[in-house]
Amino acid sequence: QQQVKQSPQSLIVQKGGISIINCAYENTAFDYFPWYQQFPGKGPALLIAIRPDVSEKKEGRFTISFNKSAKQFSLHIMDSQPGDSATYFCAAGLSGGGADGLTFGKGTHLIIQP
Amino acid sequence: DAGVIQSPRHEVTEMGQEVTLRCKPISGHDYLFWYRQTMMRGLELLIYFNNNVPIDDSGMPEDRFSAKMPNASFSTLKIQPSEPRDSAVYFCASKRNSGNTIYFGEGSWLTVV
Repeated sequence: QQQVKQSPQSLIVQKGGISIINCAYENTAFDYFPWYQQFPGKGPALLIAIRPDVSEKKEGRFTISFNKSAKQFSLHIMDSQPGDSATYFCAAGLSGGGADGLTFGKGTHLIIQP
Repeated sequence: DAGVIQSPRHEVTEMGQEVTLRCKPISGHDYLFWYRQTMMRGLELLIYFNNNVPIDDSGMPEDRFSAKMPNASFSTLKIQPSEPRDSAVYFCASKRNSGNTIYFGEGSWLTVV
């Protein structure tokens, strides 16, 4: 599988701060970049996703920034809240219901301190 | 929708025993995936099916692992014989042909002692 490199492995942010998680991919054919959120004891669930035709997508406090030339994308969580404490996975793959599953990063364990 | 349903949620077994994990995908979904999650390796794709047919099993670590999907509503992942290094959370997931979103079950937590 093509690699997706995610950093940092863990992150501690104060309540109200900005959480930033970064990912880099290799396969230039990838055109679908989702972020999944996983709470303890649960499976990952889709949080937000972006296609490479835009450089940024925002949903509430969550924003994906995408840099096609650098093959990098990042998740920004504004005004981070304790309820955002979870593991976050970036992923990359082919859109349009392609045959392959997603390639996931190794995850970032985010803790928001009250 | 009930979501992806996995069983058992937790299993503790002795080394050498056979382990069978079960999955019911979301009705109407055409793809089924088996992932393994560990601290060291993150989420790894083991195998996926399309319309009940195995498409890519290159992620299956060894011949001790096997997966089947006898019909559109049921799949199993079997480990025989199990080893302590197989201890992990195993996720089943599914999606539609036309969709991008993969829906995960809550996982089966396997401990091999």
